[in-house]
Amino acid sequence: DAGVTQSPTHLIKTRGQQVTLRCSPKSGHDTVSWYQQALGQGPQFIFQYYEEEERQRGNFPDRFSGHQFPNYSSELNVNALLLGDSALYLCASSFLLTGTGANVLTFGAGSRLTVL
Amino acid sequence: AQSVTQPDIHITVSEGASLELRCNYSYGATPYLFWYVQSPGQGLQLLLKYFSGDTLVQGIKGFEAEFKRSQSSFNLRKPSVHWSDAAEYFCAVVTSWGGTASKLTFGTGTRLQVTL
Repeated sequence: DAGVTQSPTHLIKTRGQQVTLRCSPKSGHDTVSWYQQALGQGPQFIFQYYEEEERQRGNFPDRFSGHQFPNYSSELNVNALLLGDSALYLCASSFLLTGTGANVLTFGAGSRLTVL
Repeated sequence: AQSVTQPDIHITVSEGASLELRCNYSYGATPYLFWYVQSPGQGLQLLLKYFSGDTLVQGIKGFEAEFKRSQSSFNLRKPSVHWSDAAEYFCAVVTSWGGTASKLTFGTGTRLQVTL
């Protein structure tokens, strides 16, 4: 059973460009979350998708947008790239644990974005 | 604001020695707490979680953690460290809910180095 798969694994962009990162969730999972992990930091929540809608959003500008498809896969788009957008972008999928109200996240290996 | 503090940025232990990684959280209600491990170039792997019940939880790879409400702590322990445990360890707490989805807030991580 494949876990969470992300593509591409590495990419290099220049300031002002746009990037699209892709994520396929673990089989059976219906919720996708995106996190940004800057070097030496913990992951920071970007946003979360369920039933093709953005359900929660962290403190990130509108340059960061996303989409979830009917097959639960997801894309993260970042426009007008800044040097500070250089980071590891992690996708996590989850399902709701009945009775707990909590998700258990399964993370992908990430897409490392370098902005020059 | 809800937050997670990992006071130790870097810890070095000898192989075979015991390990304790500290985590303190700030959250008003009963927290849902997690420990994740990240090896170089990898995503995050769930070690263990606390939702309710027994305050001592067992995880994978011989790790355990104890939830202490009075100290707002959720420290990770292992009785005997192996060289393969060298990695970055992140404590996280669920800090918001979006219907079926939850958001994690992570600490800044503790890098564990194991000497032979």
